[in-house]
Amino acid sequence: LAKTTQPISMDSYEGQEVNITCSHNNIATNDYITWYQQFPSQGPRFIIQGYKTKVTNEVASLFIPADRKSSTLSLPRVSLSDTAVYYCLVVGSSNTGKLIFGQGTTLQVKP
Amino acid sequence: DTEVTQTPKHLVMGMTNKKSLKCEQHMGHRAMYWYKQKAKKPPELMFVYSYEKLSINESVPSRFSPECPNSSLLNLHLHALQPEDSALYLCASSQDQSYEQYFGPGTRLTVT
Repeated sequence: LAKTTQPISMDSYEGQEVNITCSHNNIATNDYITWYQQFPSQGPRFIIQGYKTKVTNEVASLFIPADRKSSTLSLPRVSLSDTAVYYCLVVGSSNTGKLIFGQGTTLQVKP
Repeated sequence: DTEVTQTPKHLVMGMTNKKSLKCEQHMGHRAMYWYKQKAKKPPELMFVYSYEKLSINESVPSRFSPECPNSSLLNLHLHALQPEDSALYLCASSQDQSYEQYFGPGTRLTVT
């Protein structure tokens, strides 16, 4: 299973764009990169998933370079309600159904 | 209905008690999961059910006993727990094991 590494914490201000980078050097050919968000005392929530290049949805964008050894979650114009823990996970045929959460990145958005 | 519900929200039990946690989803998902999350730590997978059969047990102690009575329900039976088992227990479901997981709000368990 590919191990992921992300910053432990980040600070930002309301209205800014936030980019959280995740390293996954041992990602396999069949693996996807997936991001979840978790607020205190709630279950994680799926944000976005991608395989390569760029994926965008109504919440975030995910940028994956050609070598796929890292990925960047981009949150446009964050608000206070985006304060949460963000988890980067690698999922694929070798670990189907097994979400292995790393330590995640605690994002603190300030007014 | 895109919700996973869990009951109870909070549970306090003694080490000799037997209790059960309940999880329910009505999204037609065929995979369901139990996770344990300690304070300020990431969730840890405990069990996976796929099409009502146990497909993954992450070497969880036998004092935790999962049960999947039907495709919408998942139970976690608790017996002779230890204080270190106090945690947030999260249930999740997905269309099958290949798809993104939807999590419930969790049951906050305290073992005294």
